[in-house]
Amino acid sequence: EVQLVESGGGLVQPGGSLRLSCAASGFTFSTYWMTWVRQAPGKGLEWVANIKQDGSEKHYVDSVKGRLTISRDNAKKSLFLQMNSLRAEDTAVYYCARAAGSGYDDFWGQGTLVTVSS
Amino acid sequence: EKVMTQSPATLSVSPGERATLSCRASQSVSSNLAWYQQKPGQAPRLLIYGASTRPPGIPARFSGSGSGTEFTLTISSLQSEDFAVYYCQQYNNWPLTFGGGTKVEIK
Repeated sequence: EVQLVESGGGLVQPGGSLRLSCAASGFTFSTYWMTWVRQAPGKGLEWVANIKQDGSEKHYVDSVKGRLTISRDNAKKSLFLQMNSLRAEDTAVYYCARAAGSGYDDFWGQGTLVTVSS
Repeated sequence: EKVMTQSPATLSVSPGERATLSCRASQSVSSNLAWYQQKPGQAPRLLIYGASTRPPGIPARFSGSGSGTEFTLTISSLQSEDFAVYYCQQYNNWPLTFGGGTKVEIK
């Protein structure tokens, strides 16, 4: 059974940093693109970033470029999102998802909440 | 960035009726279009990819159509578990983008 479990969310002050993790199981992690998607409270979905199987290619939405960094550790079957210079508008539930090819996401974790507030 | 526009924002439907949801892209996305369902407090679930293909386990009452800039998700006979928010997503170009969602509520 495919499982994705996010962790690392919490309350952080504006300008602060946080590192999200996603532990994968039930599939061959190293053979899939992986994605982060976020959802602000009461709002719709926003695609944030994705990363190729070997980490050699990464893509980001413009609003997070230079502040959020996606990475992975295939040996540990883990996906990460390093979040720096956080802003109030980064407050959201962050979902880790498995991508089919480099496109749509066929399995999703349950999400971890990040709150940026003083 | 390709903008995805969904309509209507809210759709009121009685159980057993048909629901038709629309998604429009600001530029062609070919058939690189997915639909997701999200219930309150849950993660999204993939319903359709490639504009019209259902993954294993998705009921046949869900169907997708369209290509280019105009897409439709049809739920042929709404069941109680289908009342949720539905999102379209283009994956033709980065950044991938979602529509704003259509909430399907009980009439």
